[in-house]
Amino acid sequence: GQNIDQPTEMTATEGAIVQINCTYQTSGFNGLFWYQQHAGEAPTFLSYNVLDGLEEKGRFSSFLSRSKGYSYLLLKELQMKDSASYLCAVRDPRMDSSYKLIFGSGTRLLVRP
Amino acid sequence: DAGVTQSPTHLIKTRGQQVTLRCSPISGHKSVSWYQQVLGQGPQFIFQYYEKEERGRGNFPDRFSARQFPNYSSELNVNALLLGDSALYLCASSLGNWGLETQYFGPGTRLLVL
Repeated sequence: GQNIDQPTEMTATEGAIVQINCTYQTSGFNGLFWYQQHAGEAPTFLSYNVLDGLEEKGRFSSFLSRSKGYSYLLLKELQMKDSASYLCAVRDPRMDSSYKLIFGSGTRLLVRP
Repeated sequence: DAGVTQSPTHLIKTRGQQVTLRCSPISGHKSVSWYQQVLGQGPQFIFQYYEKEERGRGNFPDRFSARQFPNYSSELNVNALLLGDSALYLCASSLGNWGLETQYFGPGTRLLVL
């Protein structure tokens, strides 16, 4: 089966840096996504990693290590509007089901002044 | 460009009733997926449709059904509603069926079953 683990909640200070970790146990690997979801709203795409290493996109960066089954999302220069849930998702590793995303439960980030 | 749209935004039903939720994908996208998100959890995959055919189904009972129309819009139907069906129902669209494209989510339909 597939399993994705993320911390339930994190708190950080405006202007600081926060790292949200995600570990996954799957029978294969076919890509990992990070989505941001504000309360009551739809998930918004942040990043996609399929190869090892760091992908940087403005204040947000995402890192992947396939050998360790590990990813993190790094948020720099935190702003109050970054308070949201951050969802880690992997593609179903089976090639005939790769359209299916398997989500973790999400990490609720609270940014304080 | 318009993103994924869903209707209605909110819905209240009672147990045993039936509900139909609607989704219009991003223009040019041919694939639509449906997810259920219970409060405090990540989205769970229900269905994927591509070119009007069901290409995948998650671990949901037969009370859940869907279809895709020639214009690539989609409907999700849930029969014999249970209290546990209360959730945010998300529709996501992507370009094709290759499994490599990013999925973009609509605003969702929040269903409350009383």
